[in-house]
Amino acid sequence: QSVLTQPPSVSAAPGQKVTISCSGSRSNIGNNHVSWYQHLPGAAPKLLIYGNNERPSGIPDRFSGSKSGTSATLDITGLQTGDEADYYCGTWDNRQSAHVVFGGGTKLTVL
Amino acid sequence: QVQLVESGGGVVQPGGSLRLSCVASGFSFNNFALHWVRQAPGKGLQWVAVVSYDGTNQYYADSMKGRFTASRDNSKNTLHLQLTSLRPEDTAMYYCAGGRSLPDNWGQGTLVTVSS
Repeated sequence: QSVLTQPPSVSAAPGQKVTISCSGSRSNIGNNHVSWYQHLPGAAPKLLIYGNNERPSGIPDRFSGSKSGTSATLDITGLQTGDEADYYCGTWDNRQSAHVVFGGGTKLTVL
Repeated sequence: QVQLVESGGGVVQPGGSLRLSCVASGFSFNNFALHWVRQAPGKGLQWVAVVSYDGTNQYYADSMKGRFTASRDNSKNTLHLQLTSLRPEDTAMYYCAGGRSLPDNWGQGTLVTVSS
């Protein structure tokens, strides 16, 4: 059972838009920045979004993030087959000493 | 170019120990926190531990506290994870990741299998 809640799967057709949600609480998302990661099988996880809505250099603007209260969202527009991957949100949790928590992951299928 | 390369994984019996290493290059190693994150087969990412930029502070996930020890050697740009009292449920790919706060750049991982 993950501290952050994500839908197990989402799907959409090429060119369409998909939204992945990440729900937490005041001790984690509510008081900390959120990062989003893309994880392809056999590869290293890749940072897509940091600081709730900032893109590292090289990440296309098709990927965008936002945060409101205790929830965060990753939007992917102009879907491509290469976007098929698992997506994770992550943030700090203040309930105990410094802990990082991840969502359970969302499998994106591009139909 | 940022690069993190893990090593030290392998097959170990329950109750055994293993030491993982992660060598970093391409960034100011001394200025970044370093994390260990694992992924068990068929499961999601699970945070393991973080070491502060100067190595003075380490924090662990509850299920690993007391069994795992994370450390870093800034003179060698290296991060370590000592695994002890290993259990079958510790079987996973172990990733190291560096970042200003949360993990930013990740390695390819090293596989730990705990089995008799």
